[in-house]
Amino acid sequence: GAVVSQHPSWVICKSGTSVKIECRSLDFQATTMFWYRQFPKQSLMLMATSNEGSKATYEQGVEKDKFLINHASLTLSTLTVTSAHPEDSSFYICSAPTGGGTETQYFGPGTRLLVL
Amino acid sequence: AQSVTQPDIHITVSEGASLELRCNYSYGATPYLFWYVQSPGQGLQLLLKYFSGDTLVQGIKGFEAEFKRSQSSFNLRKPSVHWSDAAEYFCAVGAGGGADGLTFGKGTHLIIQP
Repeated sequence: GAVVSQHPSWVICKSGTSVKIECRSLDFQATTMFWYRQFPKQSLMLMATSNEGSKATYEQGVEKDKFLINHASLTLSTLTVTSAHPEDSSFYICSAPTGGGTETQYFGPGTRLLVL
Repeated sequence: AQSVTQPDIHITVSEGASLELRCNYSYGATPYLFWYVQSPGQGLQLLLKYFSGDTLVQGIKGFEAEFKRSQSSFNLRKPSVHWSDAAEYFCAVGAGGGADGLTFGKGTHLIIQP
């Protein structure tokens, strides 16, 4: 199947700093990518939809100024957690649909963020 | 708004026994339904999906699921589990197939007893 990668796989940062997470579709182009957040032993919650060439759309309750999304190309979306705080510590997962009708979403392996 | 309920947080089955993981959804139109598996340190892997047509869907690794509109259910089954099936299983619903963000259930943690 299609491959989606994320970088880094884990990151530790100090409170108040910003962290950038990359999501890449390795063998297909994705005009749309999705960002999810997963708390320990909980479900994935959709945060936002990343759109190539236009602004991201955020789910209700997600701070767009806190979680900056940029879809720089057809294979790359980035999520920047700005002025990170300990409550932002979580597992961040991206996904991308392959397109073509009955689409399948492929998920990246996730990025674990720990804010100290 | 769409929602997914997985009523079982944990399920323990013996290796070789059959398995059924429950999933109920709430959605106003024809749902697009998915089952994903998440193993430690790995990304979510799609087991199977239902968009339309035959309500019994075959997936990878010997899994199948049956869509029952009258019960708003999409239960996952496997006739004989293997120790390697131990993982977290998520049911999800989407409005536009795979083209939209998905709404996930809370997941069911599957434990396999030897």
